[in-house]
Amino acid sequence: DIVMTQSPDSLAVSLGERATINCKSSQTVLYSSNNKDYLAWYQQKPGQPPKLLIYWASTREDGVPDRFSGSGSGTDFTLTISSLQTEDVAVYYCQQYYTTPITFGQGTRLEIK
Amino acid sequence: EVHLVESGGGLVQPGGSLRLSCGDSGLPFSDYWMTWVRQTPGKGLEWVANIKQNGTEKNYVDSVKGRFTISRDNAKNLVYLLMNSLRVDDTAVYYCARGSAVFDSWGQGTLVTVSS
Repeated sequence: DIVMTQSPDSLAVSLGERATINCKSSQTVLYSSNNKDYLAWYQQKPGQPPKLLIYWASTREDGVPDRFSGSGSGTDFTLTISSLQTEDVAVYYCQQYYTTPITFGQGTRLEIK
Repeated sequence: EVHLVESGGGLVQPGGSLRLSCGDSGLPFSDYWMTWVRQTPGKGLEWVANIKQNGTEKNYVDSVKGRFTISRDNAKNLVYLLMNSLRVDDTAVYYCARGSAVFDSWGQGTLVTVSS
């Protein structure tokens, strides 16, 4: 199974500042035949299901604010929130869909400093 | 608009069975793979199983193989998860989600508690 490891486990950032969450996979999730990274990011607020933010490592889902961006390739990925808003307080998860079983990172809790 | 709703969760003893259901009151979901994902405080999010649009392909995480069965009834816009031989570590909130690999719509979840 591909193990997804996120860092840090928790993060406190001031409003308007940049937040950066890292995700590392135990093996590549880059499919060489199409040059796509099979990596997604989700946001989960308390009492709610996860919400898809980004797929193919850097493609924003419809309706997701452009302050959210994804980057990276192969085994190392980053979710960046360029200017933190109060509504961004949540737990963020990365997920690989390169192979089954599909696996998620352990989550990163983002709070306001 | 997609609106997935799970039902069927509850308290069950170890070794028991439950059948979860997930319905979509919006557009018919027969064009999509459907997936079950569970969440626990200790293990986080865990992909459980998925099923192809016509039900001809199904995949399971190793820990539930032989115990859980995913199925669907496209005429009723429903997907099911039959869970047999339940264990304490199956305790979780179970979500259904649309998609085979990237999940763009999720239900609110149903809690399954396995305890004596």
